Amino acid sequence: KAGVTQTPRYLIKTRGQQVTLSCSPISGHRSVSWYQQTPGQGLQFLFEYFSETQRNKGNFPGRFSGRQFSNSRSEMNVSTLELGDSALYLCASSLRLTYRTGNNEQFFGPGTRLTVL
Amino acid sequence: GENVEQHPSTLSVQEGDSAVIKCTYSDSASNYFPWYKQELGKGPQLIIDIRSNVGEKKDQRIAVTLNKTAKHFSLHITETQPEDSAVYFCAASADSNYQLIWGAGTKLIIKP
Repeated sequence: KAGVTQTPRYLIKTRGQQVTLSCSPISGHRSVSWYQQTPGQGLQFLFEYFSETQRNKGNFPGRFSGRQFSNSRSEMNVSTLELGDSALYLCASSLRLTYRTGNNEQFFGPGTRLTVL
Repeated sequence: GENVEQHPSTLSVQEGDSAVIKCTYSDSASNYFPWYKQELGKGPQLIIDIRSNVGEKKDQRIAVTLNKTAKHFSLHITETQPEDSAVYFCAASADSNYQLIWGAGTKLIIKP
């Protein structure tokens, strides 16, 4: 079974631009979570989607948004990029029958390394 | 809201010795406690987890203990090896919320 894939793996943007990152979960997984990881920082939760609906949201500005498609693939968008947005963005999927049942083990992708110049 | 504190932030141990990482959670409703390992250039990977109805769980050289009264849980790695060098994260969640709350991570360094 293929793991979680994220594209692109590396991205360089300039301040003010916008970026879209993509995540394909493990087949059958309906929950997708996004995290931001900066050097020396832990995993900062961005948001979680289940069945195309945002279920949880972290403490990030509205410049960070996401969506999930009917095939469970997810995208996150960052508008008006700032230097501080440079980070590793991780996507994780988990298997659940419904949102509140099932295995909460999260399977992470390799991440997208975003550099903002 | 729920908060998970993790200590130490960096741990350096001699190869073959044991390593212990501790986490404390604030929400008494938390009942699921996983530990993830992140190697350089990779995403975190689950290495062991425990539910609140169990006090201890072992998997070869790795063990996790849970003290519900004190609201803390610990990761124990015995006979450490070079491949144990990584960043370890603890997390907690409750069935009522289902969202994992993460600790800040511990960088484990195994000295040869």
